[in-house]
Amino acid sequence: DTAVSQTPKYLVTQMGNDKSIKCEQNLGHDTMYWYKQDSKKFLKIMFSYNNKELIINETVPNRFSPKSPDKAHLNLHINSLELGDSAVYFCASSQGTNDQPQHFGDGTRLSIL
Amino acid sequence: GENVEQHPSTLSVQEGDSAVIKCTYSDSASNYFPWYKQELGKRPQLIIDIRSNVGEKKDQRIAVTLNKTAKHFSLHITETQPEDSAVYFCAASMEQFYFGTGTSLTVIP
Repeated sequence: DTAVSQTPKYLVTQMGNDKSIKCEQNLGHDTMYWYKQDSKKFLKIMFSYNNKELIINETVPNRFSPKSPDKAHLNLHINSLELGDSAVYFCASSQGTNDQPQHFGDGTRLSIL
Repeated sequence: GENVEQHPSTLSVQEGDSAVIKCTYSDSASNYFPWYKQELGKRPQLIIDIRSNVGEKKDQRIAVTLNKTAKHFSLHITETQPEDSAVYFCAASMEQFYFGTGTSLTVIP
């Protein structure tokens, strides 16, 4: 069983479109995250979310919004896609936010034409 | 916030030699230090972690050391093998993870 699963694995779309990436975890964790990994491989935190608090990295454009229908899901919505949004997006989860390992999904490679 | 620096950015070693990757952090309140391995096209996977009340931890060929006073921690891989080739990320955690910039390790057969 995949612990953290994301769909789709690949997403190719045109500039200006709106798209969503879904993430589900079956680990029973209470915190989920979205990361962006660019071509230089830097892992940049975008959001962390548990059932109490959403923490947003202040550098993330407001075109990006997380949506959590329940504790096991954290979807990422992106409006008005731009060329610079091309990257691999990773979802992750952990139990708590402090001293527990994060478990990553397999990533979604987003390519903007 | 926390600032994590990781060195070197690239590292090549001969098979069988040791590899060492170093990270420094800025916030003395950080208390959890995981290391992740990311193979090409795959997700980051936890390989070892250490908490601030421990100075060293070992798991077969992998070890991590932590110096809280100097605020640095290191990953040691002994008897390297070609399958160790990957990008390695350190992280320091207080209220959230702060990742280093990654080290691309190549083990030459």
